[in-house]
Amino acid sequence: DQQVKQNSPSLSVQEGRISILNCDYTNSMFDYFLWYKKYPAEGPTFLISISSIKDKNEDGRFTVFLNKSAKHLSLHIVPSQPGDSAVYFCAASTSGTYKYIFGTGTRLKVLA
Amino acid sequence: DADVTQTPRNRITKTGKRIMLECSQTKGHDRMYWYRQDPGLGLRLIYYSFDVKDINKGEISDGYSVSRQAQAKFSLSLESAIPNQTALYFCATSDRTGAGYTFGSGTRLTVV
Repeated sequence: DQQVKQNSPSLSVQEGRISILNCDYTNSMFDYFLWYKKYPAEGPTFLISISSIKDKNEDGRFTVFLNKSAKHLSLHIVPSQPGDSAVYFCAASTSGTYKYIFGTGTRLKVLA
Repeated sequence: DADVTQTPRNRITKTGKRIMLECSQTKGHDRMYWYRQDPGLGLRLIYYSFDVKDINKGEISDGYSVSRQAQAKFSLSLESAIPNQTALYFCATSDRTGAGYTFGSGTRLTVV
């Protein structure tokens, strides 16, 4: 059973426009969520996080929204840049477990 | 030097061979993890360790074993490699807050 799902394997967006990446989860015990970005031949790197006590967290061009009732989070990138082209993973954790369950990833391509 | 170093970066091995993937870190983190990435399946947890004397199985530990030789070193072994263990393997570390991982660059393993 996939507890964390990213239903869009890929997404293409024009440079300067908004990219929206989505993630759904099934385990209501998850209370901390992360987004990672991965370039080819590199390990994933941390992008942004959100705790379940919040519904939004912003860091520069990146904003994560959390809808607990829908068990859904999304990552917004505004404006999108060609350097944002990468695979994005969402991950979820339950407090005290110190381990994360990852989604399957969405490949974002930002077109110049 | 990278904070989390994985060796080798690439390896091709034959079915039935024993192989060890190594991970070392300079972050001073207590917690270390091994994940594998497969297309369409995201990152799945194989084993994790919260300190030298604490080893735990993840979602997909069958066919794998680990050794935590020191706080900074965590090795993953495939006792008898099989083709469906062909994947990209990542080591990760985290501090005691559990607020996200630092990943290595990965080991691409091919079992023929």
